[in-house]
Amino acid sequence: DQQVKQNSPSLSVQEGRISILNCDYTNSMFDYFLWYKKYPAEGPTFLISISSIKDKNEDGRFTVFLNKSAKHLSLHIVPSQPGDSAVYFCAARRDFYGGATNKLIFGTGTLLAVQP
Amino acid sequence: DGGITQSPKYLFRKEGQNVTLSCEQNLNHDAMYWYRQDPGQGLRLIYYSQIVNDFQKGDIAEGYSVSREKKESFPLTVTSAQKNPTAFYLCASSSRQTTPDTQYFGPGTRLTVL
Repeated sequence: DQQVKQNSPSLSVQEGRISILNCDYTNSMFDYFLWYKKYPAEGPTFLISISSIKDKNEDGRFTVFLNKSAKHLSLHIVPSQPGDSAVYFCAARRDFYGGATNKLIFGTGTLLAVQP
Repeated sequence: DGGITQSPKYLFRKEGQNVTLSCEQNLNHDAMYWYRQDPGQGLRLIYYSQIVNDFQKGDIAEGYSVSREKKESFPLTVTSAQKNPTAFYLCASSSRQTTPDTQYFGPGTRLTVL
């Protein structure tokens, strides 16, 4: 039962253009969504998060959009740079009992390749 | 310079042997987690600990064991009962003092069973 899905295994974008990475989820109880970036043989690096009570969060070149009715979120990278080439994971958190448990459910990742 | 360290970076073991992966953090985080990553899959939770001397099974705990005797340390033992131990293992930690309690990851350990 895949509660968090990233249906595009890979994405190729030209440098300077917009990269849009998508993520769908099934559990309406998720209260936070996070994006991580991962290079090969390294641990994931936290990028940006969004609360379920918001529909947009922006941090520099990165913007995350949340559409709760569609159970869909997306990460926009503008402008894309070659150094952005990595695997991007979306993750969702279900908050139990006011934060007593923080379990993240991860998607399978999307490999972004930014071409110079 | 706070962070999470995992050692070793690469680990080889013979089939039937137990092996322990180290995870240390100096971020003063309460919670620590172990995940494994397999090719084409997301990160799957093995065990997590919200507080010292307490830990809970994640989604794929069979064949693994952990301990949490100190706040800074959360070692993972891969036992001979784990059927497919070859994977990339990631340790993470988070603080319940921040919102959200974002998990931060170590560099990972690549375990290969020969």
